[in-house]
Amino acid sequence: DAGITQSPRYKITETGRQVTLMCHQTWSHSYMFWYRQDLGHGLRLIYYSAAADITDKGEVPDGYVVSRSKTENFPLTLESATRSQTSVYFCASTGDTEAFFGQGTRLTVV
Amino acid sequence: GIQVEQSPPDLILQEGANSTLRCNFSDSVNNLQWFHQNPWGQLINLFYIPSGTKQNGRLSATTVATERYSLLYISSSQTTDSGVYFCAGGGSYIPTFGRGTSLIVHP
Repeated sequence: DAGITQSPRYKITETGRQVTLMCHQTWSHSYMFWYRQDLGHGLRLIYYSAAADITDKGEVPDGYVVSRSKTENFPLTLESATRSQTSVYFCASTGDTEAFFGQGTRLTVV
Repeated sequence: GIQVEQSPPDLILQEGANSTLRCNFSDSVNNLQWFHQNPWGQLINLFYIPSGTKQNGRLSATTVATERYSLLYISSSQTTDSGVYFCAGGGSYIPTFGRGTSLIVHP
């Protein structure tokens, strides 16, 4: 199916564990983004990528790692999860106009 | 970076009422969008509107790029309009979000 998909939709993990959130888009959009959404903060940019093998930090990058070896995939890794990383994570992509968002991943760190 | 301010932060309406949501940007943007986040958390694209006016059913939007603001109009509101409305934009391809307007429409 065309579009942008995230997996998993829900994840519970323990403090200190590594966890990877996946994002896949079928449009061959150049730009891809990761945001986190928390009450009182709206959506804040974690990392973005302008093309394969090009990534850059956003507003809140600490504790996260990204990679983009293929245009269509943009995984987000929490190397050692902390409770403050409990959030809803959204992936998005854009060509050169409007951005489209995935369904979100609700991550709980216990 | 660009700052995005949305107003009002909260809005409660009776079904059938009209409303106007506002979005102000601290600098010029070239990719302004409006989104609706429904009660299930899904972000739905409403308008891509870097300038001008667009309409889609009961919703319309106007962006005055030279004055760095955008308005979203909701007419004859319905309970299904409830949720959070976000505007987002940036000087490049990177959307910066406002904190949203939380809308509740009562039957």
